[in-house]
Amino acid sequence: KAGVTQTPRYLIKTRGQQVTLSCSPISGHRSVSWYQQTPGQGLQFLFEYFSETQRNKGNFPGRFSGRQFSNSRSEMNVSTLELGDSALYLCASSLGRSFNEKLFFGSGTQLSVL
Amino acid sequence: EDQVTQSPEALRLQEGESSSLNCSYTVSGLRGLFWYRQDPGKGPEFLFTLYSAGEEKEKERLKATLTKKESFLHITAPKPEDSATYLCAVQDKPLMGDSWGKFQFGAGTQVVVTP
Repeated sequence: KAGVTQTPRYLIKTRGQQVTLSCSPISGHRSVSWYQQTPGQGLQFLFEYFSETQRNKGNFPGRFSGRQFSNSRSEMNVSTLELGDSALYLCASSLGRSFNEKLFFGSGTQLSVL
Repeated sequence: EDQVTQSPEALRLQEGESSSLNCSYTVSGLRGLFWYRQDPGKGPEFLFTLYSAGEEKEKERLKATLTKKESFLHITAPKPEDSATYLCAVQDKPLMGDSWGKFQFGAGTQVVVTP
């Protein structure tokens, strides 16, 4: 069974640009969550999608947005990039049927903002 | 506010030297406490879920335990392949709203096991 796939693996952008990250969950998983990981803050929850609907959202500015498609694939968009957005962005999938399911993470997209 | 604190930040062990990692947490109501392992350049990989105080789970050289305030991850006779960052995460039962997908992660303990 294929794991969670995130593309691209690495991205370099400049301040003010926007970026779109992609995540393909494990087959059969309908929940996709996004996390930002930085050395100083650790893993911070961005949002969670299930059946194309955002069910939960973390404390990030509106520049961070996402969506989920009918095949459960998800994209995350960051507009007007800032230097502080440099981080590893992790996508995780789960069945989405109960609150405390274990998450299956992808290898992440390493975003560098110059 | 929910808090998850892991200690120590880093741990250097000789192969075969057993040790324990600590995860202390403050939540209004615990839905579950999770341990993950993260290797460099990869996403976290699930190890264990603990739901209630007194519960224990084992996998190879790893054993996780849970009390009402903290969890321990015991590494018995570690090998170099156990080198990784170990992350603890909790999911809360909020007074209002949902917890879908939202886990509070600790900063992790970086473990290095030398031959």
